[in-house]
Parts: sequence; structure tokens; C-alpha cells
Amino acid sequence: AQTVTQSQPEMSVQEAETVTLSCTYDTSESDYYLFWYKQPPSRQMILVIRQEAYKQQNATENRFSVNFQKAAKSFSLKISDSQLGDAAMYFCAYTGANSKLTFGKGITLSVRP
Amino acid sequence: GAVVSQHPSRVICKSGTSVKIECRSLDFQATTMFWYRQFPKKSLMLMATSNEGSKATYEQGVEKDKFLINHASLTLSTLTVTSAHPEDSSFYICSAVAGNDKETQYFGPGTRLLVL
Repeated sequence: AQTVTQSQPEMSVQEAETVTLSCTYDTSESDYYLFWYKQPPSRQMILVIRQEAYKQQNATENRFSVNFQKAAKSFSLKISDSQLGDAAMYFCAYTGANSKLTFGKGITLSVRP
Repeated sequence: GAVVSQHPSRVICKSGTSVKIECRSLDFQATTMFWYRQFPKKSLMLMATSNEGSKATYEQGVEKDKFLINHASLTLSTLTVTSAHPEDSSFYICSAVAGNDKETQYFGPGTRLLVL
């Protein structure tokens, strides 16, 4: 079975600074996808970024980028120029052949003005 | 694109009554929809997978007779909590995948259920 681990329950970042959220996963599949979802206080789950395992290039979406280390099974999210609106719970997630999402426990990110 | 709606956003009901929650894909056809349950400050727990025109597949430990799921069209799935009890109070979230992108799930805004 696949597992996703987010070991840090909380992090804090100063506005305009950069923060990296960690995620590791375990799988025996060779073809899979990884995601970061953001859940603000409204509790709407928002897709931040996705990475296909077969792609070596790290995905980037504006201020959000990932560091995908396939051999190490690591998938961290970097948020540059942090904004107050980035404060939320962030979930790392995995999907493979069965199309089901496996979520990590999530990390609560706070942004200090 | 890829907008998913849920209705109602919140509902309060009496113990023993049934509650129906709708999940709609607004701008795409959803071959598969998923239903999750989430407790405060916790991760999402998958309850069931719903495929259009077929019976839902429930995760282990989820009572299919209590949580009835119907996926009658490519844009609508419903979750009915039957004979609700206070322990069913929770936040229920649906997601949907499009036929041309089966890997990415797009989420509805969730429904907060409170059973008195």
C-alpha cells in the first residue's frame, strides 16, 4: 500500500520570505502522480501543483515549485515570496493505478506579517 | 475550468432523519466522483468511489447502507446519510475527475453536517 508522510504538523514563515514544506512517500508503483493541495480556512481544497513521476523536470506554478526526488521518494513544496493568503493547511497527496488519492496528515502554514 | 459544486454548504438535522448532499461538476463531465469525510484539523478520509451508471465502491469500514451514493449522470453524484446520528456530524467533501484527466481530482467546497 502507498503511504504519504508529512512529518511537520506546523510551520511559520515571514511574509515575503520562502518556505519549504516536506513530504515523503512510499510506493512500489512506477507510474504515479503527486500533488500538493491547499486548504484555507474556508476548507475548500485547492490544487496547488501536480507532478508526473515520469517527468524529471520539477513542476512550477508561479510562486510554487516542487523538488521531486524520485529515488529518495521525496516531494517538497517551495513557496516563494510568501503572502498572507498562503496561510492554510497543505496536503501532499499521491495517486497511482487505482486513481485513489492517498493524503498525508497535512501541515498548517502560518504567515507572519 | 474544473469547477465542482456541493449543496447544501451546511445542514443541521435531527437524529434519525436522512440528509442528501449533492455534488456537481459544472464545466466538465465527471466519469468518477469521490466522497470524503474530514474531521477538524485532520486529513481527508476516503469513503467511497462513485462511477457514473454503476454501484459505488466503499472503503473498508464505511457502511454502504448508511451512506447511500448515487451517480446518476456524468455531472451529478449524491450522498445520502440515512438515519443520521450525532456521530455522523462531520465535514463531507466530494471530488471529481474528468474523463481526459483521470489523475487529478477537483474538489467541491464541502458540506458541514451537524446532527442534533
